Amino acid sequence: EVQLVESGGGLVQPGGSLRLSCAASGFTFSSDVMSWVRQAPRKGLEWVSSISDSGGSTYYANSVKGRFTISRDNSKNTLYLQMNSLRAEDTAVYYCAKSGSGWYLFNFWGQGTMVTVSS
Amino acid sequence: DIQMTQSPSSLSASVGDKVTITCRASQSINSFLNWYQQKPGKAPKVLIYAASSLQSGVPSRFSGSGSETDFTLTISSLQPEDFATYYCQQSYSTPPTFGQGTKVEI
Repeated sequence: EVQLVESGGGLVQPGGSLRLSCAASGFTFSSDVMSWVRQAPRKGLEWVSSISDSGGSTYYANSVKGRFTISRDNSKNTLYLQMNSLRAEDTAVYYCAKSGSGWYLFNFWGQGTMVTVSS
Repeated sequence: DIQMTQSPSSLSASVGDKVTITCRASQSINSFLNWYQQKPGKAPKVLIYAASSLQSGVPSRFSGSGSETDFTLTISSLQPEDFATYYCQQSYSTPPTFGQGTKVEI
């Protein structure tokens, strides 16, 4: 059974940093593109970042480029999102998602972790 | 970036109704269009990929159609568990973008 379990969310002040983790199981993690997608309170879905199976290629939304870094450790079956210089508009539930065919078919999602940026 | 526009933003329907949700892309995306269902407090779940392919385990009352810029999600006979928000998403180019969502309510 595929499982994605996010952790690391919480309350952080503007300008602060947070590192999210996503522990994967039930599939061959090192073979799949992985992504982060977020959802601000009472809003729609926004893609944040994706990383190739090897970690050699990464892509970011313009809204987070230069502040967020996606990475993965295939030996630990874990995906990460390092978030720096956080802003109030980064407040959202952050979902880890596994891709199906192609980079951007998100065919399985974790339950999400809440990030709140507030003073 | 490719903009995805869904209509309507919300709709009221009854159990047994046929429901149709449309999604329009700001430029051609061939058939790189996916549909997701999200229930309150839960993660999204893919229903349809590549415009018309049913994801494994999804009931056959869900179907998708369309190509290029205009797409449709149809629920042939609405069930109680189908009351949720539905999102379209293009996977044609970076950044992948979502529609604003359609909330299906009683």
